[in-house]
Amino acid sequence: GGIITQTPKFLIGQEGQKLTLKCQQNFNHDTMYWYRQDSGKGLRLIYYSITENDLQKGDLSEGYDASREKKSSFSLTVTSAQKNEMAVFLCASSMGTEVFFGKGTRLTVV
Amino acid sequence: GDSVTQTEGLVTLTKGLPVMLNCTYQTTYSPFLFWYVQHLNEAPKLLLKSSTDNKRTEHQGFYATLHKSSSSFHLQKSSVQLSDSALYFCALRGSSGSWQLIFGSGTQLTVMP
Repeated sequence: GGIITQTPKFLIGQEGQKLTLKCQQNFNHDTMYWYRQDSGKGLRLIYYSITENDLQKGDLSEGYDASREKKSSFSLTVTSAQKNEMAVFLCASSMGTEVFFGKGTRLTVV
Repeated sequence: GDSVTQTEGLVTLTKGLPVMLNCTYQTTYSPFLFWYVQHLNEAPKLLLKSSTDNKRTEHQGFYATLHKSSSSFHLQKSSVQLSDSALYFCALRGSSGSWQLIFGSGTQLTVMP
């Protein structure tokens, strides 16, 4: 089996700060994703990548950048953190129909 | 566009009772539906999946049947356990390709002793 590792587990930022979240997978999957999880709103897609150096915007891409420099890693940058923002960011990977998720990075902006 | 609707945000039940969590979807393409379960502080994990009309799929005591006629994929279990307390998401593979999953808003299931 494989695993998806997200770092950090908890991230506290200040308003306006640029923040980077990292994700590593050892499944050797081609496709990776970043989802945002807000209470009562389900998971919303921010960015995905179908191969190394590929980037595709999801419905929630505004305010975020992403980078896929290696097949195994996918990073997400919050370009300017919004005050009082609280959410969990989930990284995922897939090959075929099943999507595997990491445990998430919990972001709090003060 | 594609969408998934879960009507119950919160379901609370006593152990041993049956449960049904609703999921309906909208897509113009051939649907592929999923149920994911997320326990507290854990990653979401795949519970069930189906693209076959009117065929029941089962896993870990949970079951669901895709009904294309009613655009539904409801999750059921005949007798819930305390360990079933979790957040359940229904998801649809997006019509733009096989790479996107579109999620419903989730149903929090709490099972009481």
